[in-house]
Formats: sequence, structure tokens, C-alpha cells
Amino acid sequence: QVQLVESGGGVVQPGRSLRLSCAASGFTFSNFAMHWVRQAPGKGLECVAVISYAGSNKFYADSVKGRFTISRDSSKNTLFLQMNSLRAEDTAVYYCARAGGSGVYSSLDHWGQGTLVSVSS
Amino acid sequence: DIQMTQSPSSLSASVGDRVTITCRASQGISNDLAWFQQKPGKAPKSLIYAASNLQSGVPSKFSGSGSGTDFTLTIDSLQPEDFATYYCQQYNSYPFTFGPGTKVNIK
Repeated sequence: QVQLVESGGGVVQPGRSLRLSCAASGFTFSNFAMHWVRQAPGKGLECVAVISYAGSNKFYADSVKGRFTISRDSSKNTLFLQMNSLRAEDTAVYYCARAGGSGVYSSLDHWGQGTLVSVSS
Repeated sequence: DIQMTQSPSSLSASVGDRVTITCRASQGISNDLAWFQQKPGKAPKSLIYAASNLQSGVPSKFSGSGSGTDFTLTIDSLQPEDFATYYCQQYNSYPFTFGPGTKVNIK
């Protein structure tokens, strides 16, 4: 069965960096686009970044553009989110999610359990 | 960005009721619309894609309809496990955007 397991969250000071990982199993990772979606405490869902199946296409929310970088390592079946210049408003649970197909423009069909990032001094 | 709205923001219903949630996009998105269910402290669960197609394993009590800008999610015969928050999401253009959610409470 499809499994997505996020890691790398924690408490970090404003301006610092953090790298999230998402270990994928139960499917052919290199065939699917992948997303990062976040949810601030008590708030709704926000798509942060998406990467196509081969990594050639990447898109970002305006709120993180220039600060966050999505990448993938298909040899390790792992998705990454490098987060730099973190701000208090980046505090959220970060979910990785699989797209329903290889292209970016597919619905999200499987989600991980999330990892909490807290940006605070 | 495409803005998504949902109505109502919350509703109270009884076990066995049928409920309908509405989602509207600020511009036409064809049928590039998904619905998700989220329970407190849990990850979202995918219910419907392409406006009306059930994800694998989702019971047929859930149904979706619509195209263009107006969409609905219907839940038949509400059960205790269905009390949750429901989100719509468009995936027609990035950034994919979610509605603000509809919380379904027990009456």
C-alpha cells in the first residue's frame, strides 16, 4: 500500500533553515508528481510546492517562492523540501502528498501523516 | 490565483441525514476539482477527483457533481465517522487552492 512518511520538522529560529524529507513506499515513486502542502495551526490547507515525476517542472506558492526548494531523489524514493529564511508565518504541519499521475496537474490522492515545523525565537 | 469558496462554513446534522456542501471557483476550472475529508489531528483523506470520481476505497455514500465554477459534495446517510471538515480544491492552475472548509457537526 502507498505510504508517505515525513520527517525533519522541529523548532527553528526565524531566519534559519530546515530540510524536510518524505520517504515513499508501496508505489513506483519515479512515476508520480509529488506535492508539499501545509496547514497552519487551526487554519486551512495551502499548497506550497509541486514537482513533476522526473523533477523537470517545479512550481511554488508565492508565499515561499525564492525561499523554499522542492526536490526529489528517485534512487532513494524520497521527496525533499529545503526551507530557508524561515518566518513565523511558516509555522505549520507540512504534509507530503502524491499526485494521481505523472504530471503536475493531477489531483492529490495519498497523504503522509505530516511533520510540524515551528518557527519561533 | 483562483479563489475557492465553500458554503456553508459549518453545519449541524443528525446521523442518517443527507448533507450537501457547495464549492465555487472564482473562474472556470472545467472539472479539475477534488474533495477531501479531514478529522482533527489527522491528515486529509482524498474522497473525490475530477469533480465526480470516487477515489479507490471511498464508499459510494459520497458523491460529487459540477463543472466550470460550481460544484457540490453530497454525503448520504451520515454516520458518526463522517463528522469532519471537508475541503474542496482546484488543480486546474498552480497554485492549487483549497476552499476554507466546511465543518460537519453532530446535531
